[in-house]
Amino acid sequence: DTEVTQTPKHLVMGMTNKKSLKCEQHMGHRAMYWYKQKAKKPPELMFVYSYEKLSINESVPSRFSPECPNSSLLNLHLHALQPEDSALYLCASSQGQGRSQPQHFGDGTRLSIL
Amino acid sequence: ILNVEQSPQSLHVQEGDSTNFTCSFPSSNFYALHWYRWETAKSPEALFVMTLNGDEKKKGRISATLNTKEGYSYLYIKGSQPEDSATYLCAFESGGSNYKLTFGKGTLLTVNP
Repeated sequence: DTEVTQTPKHLVMGMTNKKSLKCEQHMGHRAMYWYKQKAKKPPELMFVYSYEKLSINESVPSRFSPECPNSSLLNLHLHALQPEDSALYLCASSQGQGRSQPQHFGDGTRLSIL
Repeated sequence: ILNVEQSPQSLHVQEGDSTNFTCSFPSSNFYALHWYRWETAKSPEALFVMTLNGDEKKKGRISATLNTKEGYSYLYIKGSQPEDSATYLCAFESGGSNYKLTFGKGTLLTVNP
């Protein structure tokens, strides 16, 4: 079982809906990440939080809004998404946003935009 | 844009075969090379993080080598088992202040019993 828990596992939403993806870890990790993965493509980094502060935003459209309420939780708020945003969204954590530390991944949320 | 390439894209082997695949990455601004195993319907699992040129790491029947001067890493699996079937991803970690991983597309390994 993964130590990073993502909910929901699957989400279908319309383009006008607002929804949130949730990620939780209890390993005491201080860095958390959101990745987007389209079929047959590698995971692409979206956001990095370090010590609950946003440290990297990879030029992600504002219809994706991350939030880190505390050191264990990471949310991704979704609003007015487009069909091309359909993808697997992976959350990961590591001990810190430091060098050469392995990342621990959740199972992902499979998102479909109608 | 960083180019991280993995080959082959997919591989079918018989149980008991040994196999290897390649990750190539930029030889400049290198900090670390990560390997992950991603089984279907599960989460990616970290295998190795390698930082030193000439480094070799081992975990059971899986091992990896690193050549930072020429920009490649090999992953070896000895005596493949059906449970080794997965996508194996490598990720390049660059130096500098902006910590991020750039992933390759992965090698899909299928081990037939």
